[in-house]
Amino acid sequence: GENVEQHPSTLSVQEGDSAVIKCTYSDSASNYFPWYKQELGKGPQLIIDIRSNVGEKKDQRIAVTLNKTAKHFSLHITETQPEDSAVYFCAASAGRAGNNDMRFGAGTRLTVKP
Amino acid sequence: NAGVTQTPKFRILKIGQSMTLQCTQDMNHNYMYWYRQDPGMGLKLIYYSVGAGITDKGEVPNGYNVSRSTTEDFPLRLELAAPSQTSVYFCASADYVETQYFGPGTRLLVL
Repeated sequence: GENVEQHPSTLSVQEGDSAVIKCTYSDSASNYFPWYKQELGKGPQLIIDIRSNVGEKKDQRIAVTLNKTAKHFSLHITETQPEDSAVYFCAASAGRAGNNDMRFGAGTRLTVKP
Repeated sequence: NAGVTQTPKFRILKIGQSMTLQCTQDMNHNYMYWYRQDPGMGLKLIYYSVGAGITDKGEVPNGYNVSRSTTEDFPLRLELAAPSQTSVYFCASADYVETQYFGPGTRLLVL
């Protein structure tokens, strides 16, 4: 089955700097890669996703890149703000009906220092 | 829309006790999921459902049971609670594949 590894486990940046979180996956059939943000005491919320037919996707200060050959994808946050502080999870799925094959990384705790 | 709601928010159980974690969604989604989240770990799928009356096991189903009698509700039952079931439990729903919407979670402590 799918195995997703996420690095780093913790990341501390200064406000205004960029943050990059990387994930690798094992199942070559995976074609959907969402990123979730989890704030303290809340459930994960989808912030951006990418499908295998696209190499990069941007949404304001957030971007995700995908390298299918190398089986890795990354989250990039530019101009970080204190409210970006949270735990970020990557996930990978082959998009099968029922989506029971989605596997999550262990998470990255991002701290943005004012 | 309230989205996905879960009750209770927090519960302490004694070893051997049973309880039901409630999950309701008002988005008319067919797909619903139960995950557990242990410290420093990603989300692990316990059970999922593709529609009313249909449920199936995920990665870590032992010690749990589910039912899906309506589209809206997907309760998770713990029988004979064990310390290993101490975790945060998240319910999620999706309209087809892929994008899942999560509830706020239930924190369970088994002592």
